[in-house]
Amino acid sequence: AQSVSQHNHHVILSEAASLELGCNYSYGGTVNLFWYVQYPGQHLQLLLKYFSGDPLVKGIKGFEAEFIKSKFSFNLRKPSVQWSDTAEYFCAVNAGGTSYGKLTFGQGTILTVHP
Amino acid sequence: AAGVIQSPRHLIKEKRETATLKCYPIPRHDTVYWYQQGPGQDPQFLISFYEKMQSDKGSIPDRFSAQQFSDYHSELNMSSLELGDSALYFCASSETGGTSYEQYFGPGTRLTVT
Repeated sequence: AQSVSQHNHHVILSEAASLELGCNYSYGGTVNLFWYVQYPGQHLQLLLKYFSGDPLVKGIKGFEAEFIKSKFSFNLRKPSVQWSDTAEYFCAVNAGGTSYGKLTFGQGTILTVHP
Repeated sequence: AAGVIQSPRHLIKEKRETATLKCYPIPRHDTVYWYQQGPGQDPQFLISFYEKMQSDKGSIPDRFSAQQFSDYHSELNMSSLELGDSALYFCASSETGGTSYEQYFGPGTRLTVT
């Protein structure tokens, strides 16, 4: 069964700092990879996704992620964070390359950005 | 754009009671997923349906059942509720065969069992 591991439970940054959140997954086959954001009291929103092609994917709000197959990693990055980025971030995997498969989520990383 | 609709948004039940959560997927989406997110936890997959048939099953207790109807909406039925069932229940939908491989999440139903 697939599993997802996020390296940091809580990250605290000041505005304009750069962000990198680690995500590793364990699954030997084809995967689709996602990063979701959950603002306080809100539902999960998709930041970006990878399913094939260019391993560097760009998402909304200036976020990007790089899929490194050899490292089973899909790290999320943002060059300069804003206070409004304060939220919880989840990495997720849909194994098997199917469009109807379940998502397995990582434990989540809480990002707090101080103004 | 239309989004996934869940009702009710909040639900308070007592132990041993039953609860029914509803999910209305985005139009033309034929697959529905249910996830449970406990306090401070990551979402855990419960069950999914494709074209009204169960397509996958996760860590769903035997006390829970679900189905998808002809209009593609889905209901999660929970019986003999326990305190540990208190959680946020998300529904997501997707269009099988689509190119985005993306599940769209609803706002969730917050269930509190007292």
